[in-house]
Amino acid sequence: GEEVAQTPKHLVRGEGQKAKLYCAPIKGHSYVFWYQQVLKNEFKFLISFQNENVFDETGMPKERFSAKCLPNSPCSLEIQATKLEDSAVYFCASSQSQQGGRETQYFGPGTRLLVL
Amino acid sequence: AQSVAQPEDQVNVAEGNPLTVKCTYSVSGNPYLFWYVQYPNRGLQFLLKYITGDNLVKGSYGFEAEFNKSQTSFHLKKPSALVSDSALYFCAVRRIYNFNKFYFGSGTKLNVKP
Repeated sequence: GEEVAQTPKHLVRGEGQKAKLYCAPIKGHSYVFWYQQVLKNEFKFLISFQNENVFDETGMPKERFSAKCLPNSPCSLEIQATKLEDSAVYFCASSQSQQGGRETQYFGPGTRLLVL
Repeated sequence: AQSVAQPEDQVNVAEGNPLTVKCTYSVSGNPYLFWYVQYPNRGLQFLLKYITGDNLVKGSYGFEAEFNKSQTSFHLKKPSALVSDSALYFCAVRRIYNFNKFYFGSGTKLNVKP
């Protein structure tokens, strides 16, 4: 497809429950990025993939967050045992290649997670 | 450390007037610079980017941005604002040869009044 697709649009979870978010990158794009947008619009990088391989996971709180990009499946971001501070909008982005960093990242519409 | 600053939380401008949304950056080495726009409850839409070459970059919807290396700035501009330009604008930087994440500014809300 020509747009990055993210599901669901909204997700409500009780504290301690699991949350799973999905992202379908633009067809032909090799790189996938996950960002978390919290209060005051701050974007925090979480993780990136090159195809199904983790490229950079320096932003991931590894004790509760995990992510995968498997062939022929949407990428996923999973939060085990959600906490109140996980409430945020999670954006997925994809890019075709990296070209030394020149490439534009195209963003999906986001998943709004609310942890109660 | 890499960082991006958008010094204004909000910019107000009358329709038809020129607008400027400011961005300064701090990055080791040469940067790649991007502007994105976010409408309410929507994702980020790409506006323009500076990679190399002419310091004045033209992008979507009549926006342009000027790269100023000495001032480490990449301000977004438009000669004549429209009400429909009202949105949240983000500046982002990426280090050259860093094949990875963006560093985003905190965003500037642009209000264009009729």
